[in-house]
Amino acid sequence: QSALTQPASVSGSPGQSITISCTGASSDVGGYNYVSWYQQHPGKAPKLMIYDVSERPSGVSNRFSGSKSGNTASLTLSGLQAEDEADYYCCSYAGSGTYVFGTGTKVTVL
Amino acid sequence: EVQLVDSGGGLVKPGGSLRLSCAASGFTFSSYSMNWVRQAPGKGLEWVSSISSSGSYMYPADSVRGRFTISRDNAKNSLYLQMNSLRAEDTAVYYCARGPTLCSTTTCYTPYFDYWGQGTLVTVSS
Repeated sequence: QSALTQPASVSGSPGQSITISCTGASSDVGGYNYVSWYQQHPGKAPKLMIYDVSERPSGVSNRFSGSKSGNTASLTLSGLQAEDEADYYCCSYAGSGTYVFGTGTKVTVL
Repeated sequence: EVQLVDSGGGLVKPGGSLRLSCAASGFTFSSYSMNWVRQAPGKGLEWVSSISSSGSYMYPADSVRGRFTISRDNAKNSLYLQMNSLRAEDTAVYYCARGPTLCSTTTCYTPYFDYWGQGTLVTVSS
């Protein structure tokens, strides 16, 4: 159960778009359409932002979108805002009731 | 409103035991899978264990297999994590998290974690 690989940090200016990648294997990201993304502000619990690769929960801004190609999933933040500055984690179902999280990406709004 | 309240954390010596609890409200507890996810200080998220809505299926991460046991009491709307043989590397904030239940012919699992508790800190140190 190795962690999924994410860039340590990504930054962008307000209004810009950024993309965070999440690379796994055929046994997790590539094998299931159960990739989810979580936003975590310092000292707070994670919040679900994307589920089932590209679905947005009710109440989550449509500036957040998800996609997947092969063993790599991606989260795109459009129209970057100051409040988007946080840590972001991907997660994938890995079969047999197990899950693997990504290494985490710190998003900085310049 | 969905609420998950984690409790039971504290300071424990290596080799010791601790039982975490998660009190749920605002939804039909018995219809959802429940999970524990932890986060070591300054580190990323790590899935720990999951239990299906009925409690029939339980899954631990390799790092806690044989030491941690997940359980639930649907009558009390509560989730538990019994942690034995604790190690320094188990030091973390532990979150309970809810997820919808999907079942195949051989297993039940959740595709994502939609609500999280506030977390409870477990410190393993002598």
